[in-house]
Amino acid sequence: DQQVKQNSPSLSVQEGRISILNCDYTNSMFDYFLWYKKYPAEGPTFLISISSIKDKNEDGRFTVFLNKSAKHLSLHIVPSQPGDSAVYFCAANSGGSNYKLTFGKGTLLTVNP
Amino acid sequence: DAMVIQNPRYQVTQFGKPVTLSCSQTLNHNVMYWYQQKSSQAPKLLFHYYDKDFNNEADTPDNFQSRRPNTSFCFLDIRSPGLGDAAMYLCATSRGLGWPSAGGSYEQYFGPGTRLTVT
Repeated sequence: DQQVKQNSPSLSVQEGRISILNCDYTNSMFDYFLWYKKYPAEGPTFLISISSIKDKNEDGRFTVFLNKSAKHLSLHIVPSQPGDSAVYFCAANSGGSNYKLTFGKGTLLTVNP
Repeated sequence: DAMVIQNPRYQVTQFGKPVTLSCSQTLNHNVMYWYQQKSSQAPKLLFHYYDKDFNNEADTPDNFQSRRPNTSFCFLDIRSPGLGDAAMYLCATSRGLGWPSAGGSYEQYFGPGTRLTVT
């Protein structure tokens, strides 16, 4: 039973436009969320996070939005660049002394020049 | 640069022949994790250590064992690899210490992974 779902296996966007990657979760105990980026033949790299006390967190071109009532979060990349082409994983944690992350299956983002 | 290092990057082993994958970190993090990732799947946590405290996932096969002799190193032993164990194995670390507001962190830092092939 997948507790973190990324329903779009892939997304293609033109350079300069906005990329929106979506993630849904089912476990109401999750209260800390992270996005990772992964290039081929490399390990995932931490991108941005958000705790459940916030509904938005921004870092440069990357913004994560959290809608707790809908159990939904999204990652916005503006403007998208070809170097952003990678697999993006959504991950969730239930906080406290639980250090485990539950990952989604990932979305392959392709940014076309 | 502080980092997570995995050796080897590629490992080929024979069916049933024990294999050990290694991970080291220079981040001085308390928590170390081993994940298995198969193509188009989410990384699957096998186990993790908080310092020397070992935490096994309920669905991790007995075929998989781990050792953490010190803060810096962690090993994954696969006692009798089967064809289904072919995967990317990712090591990760995190600071631990609870909520970010208390100085902790849930961010995990990953190594480049070891691609295991079983013939």
